[in-house]
Amino acid sequence: GQQVMQIPQYQHVQEGEDFTTYCNSSTTLSNIQWYKQRPGGHPVFLIQLVKSGEVKKQKRLTFQFGEAKKNSSLHITATQTTDVGTYFCAGAPGGATNKLIFGTGTLLAVQP
Amino acid sequence: NAGVTQTPKFRILKIGQSMTLQCTQDMNHNYMYWYRQDPGMGLKLIYYSVGAGITDKGEVPNGYNVSRSTTEDFPLRLELAAPSQTSVYFCASSYSATAGDNEQFFGPGTRLTVL
Repeated sequence: GQQVMQIPQYQHVQEGEDFTTYCNSSTTLSNIQWYKQRPGGHPVFLIQLVKSGEVKKQKRLTFQFGEAKKNSSLHITATQTTDVGTYFCAGAPGGATNKLIFGTGTLLAVQP
Repeated sequence: NAGVTQTPKFRILKIGQSMTLQCTQDMNHNYMYWYRQDPGMGLKLIYYSVGAGITDKGEVPNGYNVSRSTTEDFPLRLELAAPSQTSVYFCASSYSATAGDNEQFFGPGTRLTVL
């Protein structure tokens, strides 16, 4: 079946260091969304990318969608302790934009 | 707006018992979803609905049933609980499936343990 993999599974950084998580799909995606889940919380929507090669920024967060629409990345510059949580990508396979396939997630720990 | 609400927050069931997880949204969203999240894992889609009276299976529907009699409510039913159904269950909703309107809003989750 369709799969969305994320690497790394876990990343521990010192506050102020950068962080990147990568998302790879086995199939072409019509769009990709990113969510953040704080420990013990629920997923919260961050952003959606639709176009091939699209890049979007939210303050210290930069999101990219690959040219082939099969991969994506989230980069955080100068991490803060408030960035702690699990970051999930969620892809919508072509023609089924309401059925998201969630990635395995990357847990980010930030040491002050 | 309360957004997406779920009850109960926690529940312990014995094997073979049944229960209904409640989900309500007040955003007038057409689409609603049920996911399960096992420890350290991503979310798996159980069932979804594109509107009142319409439901369809997701990736892991076995052992569950749903109904959608109103736009607001989307209950999830477990008929014969099994230990493999121990998980955190999230309900979510979105306005549509169109890119730009398909952002999903999640409820706080129900932590279910089956012993």
